[in-house]
Amino acid sequence: NAGVMQNPRHLVRRRGQEARLRCSPMKGHSHVYWYRQLPEEGLKFMVYLQKENIIDESGMPKERFSAEFPKEGPSILRIQQVVRGDSAAYFCASSIGLEAFNEQFFGPGTRLTVL
Amino acid sequence: GIQVEQSPPDLILQEGANSTLRCNFSDSVNNLQWFHQNPWGQLINLFYIPSGTKQNGRLSATTVATERYSLLYISSSQTTDSGVYFCAACRGSTLGRLYFGRGTQLTVWP
Repeated sequence: NAGVMQNPRHLVRRRGQEARLRCSPMKGHSHVYWYRQLPEEGLKFMVYLQKENIIDESGMPKERFSAEFPKEGPSILRIQQVVRGDSAAYFCASSIGLEAFNEQFFGPGTRLTVL
Repeated sequence: GIQVEQSPPDLILQEGANSTLRCNFSDSVNNLQWFHQNPWGQLINLFYIPSGTKQNGRLSATTVATERYSLLYISSSQTTDSGVYFCAACRGSTLGRLYFGRGTQLTVWP
């Protein structure tokens, strides 16, 4: 009964490098959400994806950040040219359906540190 | 969006004590969830409770949707209960976007 899987659990990057965070949803779930936890800002929504489709990306920074959820394989959150302010915990969640009332299950998170 | 407010922000207890954490939300919701973030940073699902009452061992939760609040009860607290407790809510117009409160930092001393 595997839950939401995220890897890597810890990622260290130097300023200007790229970071790729992966998320595999729970079995049977086709909806993925990404959230970011910054030290002084709490947990904030970034993007909501269905297979091959971005449903809501209103929480994503306008530049350097992108997300995808291909037909096959995990969802990827990509951060280009990382800066120190990107250091945070990034959480992925999944749900079984589109409706707002569906419970979301969270992965263990990826802790990104930008040197 | 939905405003989610949690109280108290910090709570310090002796092992064995009971506690109540509160979550107020600004609008009607379709989804209300409680989470525990343990000292390792993992978010653990506690309850999915848009309305009504649920119990799981020493923890229970009640959501009164018409009055826009939810309560999390912890009885006979243990040191392993320490961490941050978050509530989060969403409604139909925001699709699956969960709005989180700032959390309650709970410390349980032996």
